[in-house]
Amino acid sequence: DAKTTQPNSMESNEEEPVHLPCNHSTISGTDYIHWYRQLPSQGPEYVIHGLTSNVNNRMASLAIAEDRKSSTLILHRATLRDAAVYYCILTKGGATNKLIFGTGTLLAVQP
Amino acid sequence: NAGVTQTPKFQVLKTGQSMTLQCAQDMNHEYMSWYRQDPGMGLRLIHYSVGAGITDQGEVPNGYNVSRSTTEDFPLRLLSAAPSQTSVYFCASSKTGGPYNEQFFGPGTRLTVL
Repeated sequence: DAKTTQPNSMESNEEEPVHLPCNHSTISGTDYIHWYRQLPSQGPEYVIHGLTSNVNNRMASLAIAEDRKSSTLILHRATLRDAAVYYCILTKGGATNKLIFGTGTLLAVQP
Repeated sequence: NAGVTQTPKFQVLKTGQSMTLQCAQDMNHEYMSWYRQDPGMGLRLIHYSVGAGITDQGEVPNGYNVSRSTTEDFPLRLLSAAPSQTSVYFCASSKTGGPYNEQFFGPGTRLTVL
């Protein structure tokens, strides 16, 4: 199964954009790229997912490299509530929706 | 919709005791799964189900049993609890088992085995 690599931690200031990177150099053509986040003492929460094209929703944007070997989750204006662990996860096309979590990126947001 | 609910929120067991962690969803989702999360680590998949009557093993299934008799419920059974099963347990569901689906997670059950 393809793996993802994320920085252990990142810092941001409130109301500034945040770019969270994810490398997935062994991704296959049918793998989906998902992002989830986990706020302290809560269950994970879906953020966004994509396959080949960039995606936008009310929470964030997902920018996928042309070769699909990396992607970036973009929070347009960080708030204190965005402080969480962010997980970049691949799911295999044609397979079941099993999420294999790594250790993610711990995002700290400074006021 | 209540979404995904889990009971109990907290539980303390003694080694060798058995118990069932409850998970229910009211979204008519076909796919349900159980994860455990140990301190400082990501979640690991225990068991999953693509529909009523169908279950399969995840990454760390040993020591746990599941069954899926209805679409709504997916209980996780610990037959003989061990200290290594001290963890936070999360249940999740999605509309179908397809790899493009958003998964919804419950609030978790914090289990301590003494």
